[in-house]
Amino acid sequence: QKEVEQDPGPLSVPEGAIVSLNCTYSNSAFQYFMWYRQYSRKGPELLMYTYSSGNKEDGRFTAQVDKSSKYISLFIRDSQPSDSATYLCAMKDPELSFGAGTTVTVRA
Amino acid sequence: DTAVSQTPKYLVTQMGNDKSIKCEQNLGHDTMYWYKQDSKKFLKIMFSYNNKELIINETVPNRFSPKSPDKAHLNLHINSLELGDSAVYFCASSQGQTRGNEKLFFGSGTQLSVL
Repeated sequence: QKEVEQDPGPLSVPEGAIVSLNCTYSNSAFQYFMWYRQYSRKGPELLMYTYSSGNKEDGRFTAQVDKSSKYISLFIRDSQPSDSATYLCAMKDPELSFGAGTTVTVRA
Repeated sequence: DTAVSQTPKYLVTQMGNDKSIKCEQNLGHDTMYWYKQDSKKFLKIMFSYNNKELIINETVPNRFSPKSPDKAHLNLHINSLELGDSAVYFCASSQGQTRGNEKLFFGSGTQLSVL
């Protein structure tokens, strides 16, 4: 069993919809939780970063961490076609472990 | 200016060949990495390297070797290529090592196809 499990997708949503992405993990030692966004034929780029349980907002993006349930989520509000990408969750233990990624397509 | 650049972008080669992928970062970072992304988008670290320490993921075959001529470069050499080596290889860098909250900057990837 992988340490980090991510909903595989793909997801296709209409423009303006809320996108919900989820990861679960088994390693209680994970301390830092991140979401990376990867556009087609590009390298991943850090989108959100959080340390503690709770919510963190950045514009249309909200990262949520529930350490007791070993569950993290990323929400994208008012999704735009430019949000179409693969989203990877990542966690540090201290080494970085990535989820397999969820590909999201936002239809105009 | 590209922060982390790697070449070539595409590499198609025959089984058994030896090939190299080059990586350069102009961010002044101390640590560089090589990641492998398979066809299912699963991203896995291969090496992390700074001027003091090379950390090798134990699952990486010894046909793969990183070579760093200086702090700004970390090249990946692959000997005796196998079909299973086909993947996208990403170079990355960070100010420190990923043992804290350092942000990784990735290159655009090299798609390796072994025939």
